[in-house]
Amino acid sequence: DVKVTQSSRYLVKRTGEKVFLECVQDMDHENMFWYRQDPGLGLRLIYFSYDVKMKEKGDIPEGYSVSREKKERFSLILESASTNQTSMYLCASSFPPLGTYFGPGTRLTVT
Amino acid sequence: GIQVEQSPPDLILQEGANSTLRCNFSDSVNNLQWFHQNPWGQLINLFYIPSGTKQNGRLSATTVATERYSLLYISSSQTTDSGVYFCAASNSGYALNFGKGTSLLVTP
Repeated sequence: DVKVTQSSRYLVKRTGEKVFLECVQDMDHENMFWYRQDPGLGLRLIYFSYDVKMKEKGDIPEGYSVSREKKERFSLILESASTNQTSMYLCASSFPPLGTYFGPGTRLTVT
Repeated sequence: GIQVEQSPPDLILQEGANSTLRCNFSDSVNNLQWFHQNPWGQLINLFYIPSGTKQNGRLSATTVATERYSLLYISSSQTTDSGVYFCAASNSGYALNFGKGTSLLVTP
């Protein structure tokens, strides 16, 4: 089975802090993604990566950056956390014929 | 990007009932998937189905790509089927665009 893990299930940070969310997949997938999920807004794509060191902006990249130094790891960075970044963050990896697989999510609260 | 619309937004069923969830998409797709989000927030991949029909136990899905819709069938529903069902589509080969989901509650 594909396994996607995220570094934290719950996280509480203060406004202005730099926040790192880590994601690791064990299936050698080329594509990895970061989404955020908010009530009433659904899942929105922040960034994705289709290869090591490659990244593409999604629909809402402002205030975020990403890093992919190794194929299995995709990190999301909140440069200076703000309260409007309080959300559920979901990491995913994909290999198209098999589908997209999500991690358990990180519920981030910024106070 | 592709627009994905799901219906109905909410559904309440008694255990044992059958249901059909619909997903309409605005353009041709090369990737269409159905997911189930459980009450703990975990998204589970149900089907990768850009065209055709697939079955997995009590669940099956059909995508009619020429008419731009997909259907998810749940038969003999169980309380563990409760949660939110998402349809997501793409024609870029990469990231998926998600619908708003169908929230399903199965009562004993």
